[in-house]
Amino acid sequence: DTAVSQTPKYLVTQMGNDKSIKCEQNLGHDTMYWYKQDSKKFLKIMFSYNNKELIINETVPNRFSPKSPDKAHLNLHINSLELGDSAVYFCASSPLGGSSTEAFFGQGTRLTVV
Amino acid sequence: TQLLEQSPQFLSIQEGENLTVYCNSSSVFSSLQWYRQEPGEGPVLLVTVVTGGEVKKLKRLTFQFGDARKDSSLHITAAQPGDTGLYLCAAIRGGYNKLIFGAGTRLAVHP
Repeated sequence: DTAVSQTPKYLVTQMGNDKSIKCEQNLGHDTMYWYKQDSKKFLKIMFSYNNKELIINETVPNRFSPKSPDKAHLNLHINSLELGDSAVYFCASSPLGGSSTEAFFGQGTRLTVV
Repeated sequence: TQLLEQSPQFLSIQEGENLTVYCNSSSVFSSLQWYRQEPGEGPVLLVTVVTGGEVKKLKRLTFQFGDARKDSSLHITAAQPGDTGLYLCAAIRGGYNKLIFGAGTRLAVHP
């Protein structure tokens, strides 16, 4: 059983399209995240949800809209895709509390905008 | 400027060599984590260091947290091709489990 699973693994789409990435975790964690990893491999936090509530929203364009229907799911919808959105997007989850909390990551979704 | 600075950015070595990679900051952290990411996969936690001066060992990997809790190092003894990957340090910043990462060290170990 995969702990954190994302779909799709690969996504190729044209500029201007709208796309969604789905994430599910079966670890019972309270907190879920979206990270973006650029071509230089820098992993930058985008959003964090705790029990379906948005708690971290880094300076991300409002074309990106996360949604958490329940604490086990966190989806990412992207409107009007741009070339610069091409990256690998990672979903992660962690239990709430403690400064040494481990984050568990999905396998990533490689988004290519053409 | 990143909160966590990792060096070197790239490291290419032969099997059997030793190496050390660093994670530095001007900020003090209550803990620091090291992750390894392999191609096509998400990062996986290797270790968390919590106490200043702490040393933790994971087989051939030795992790140290600086006395002032501002920096950390990862030393690999007798590197093997299986050690190849992206090594990331990370720390919680602010509240709500905001986990931030350094830019990583890309390690390639050649047979």
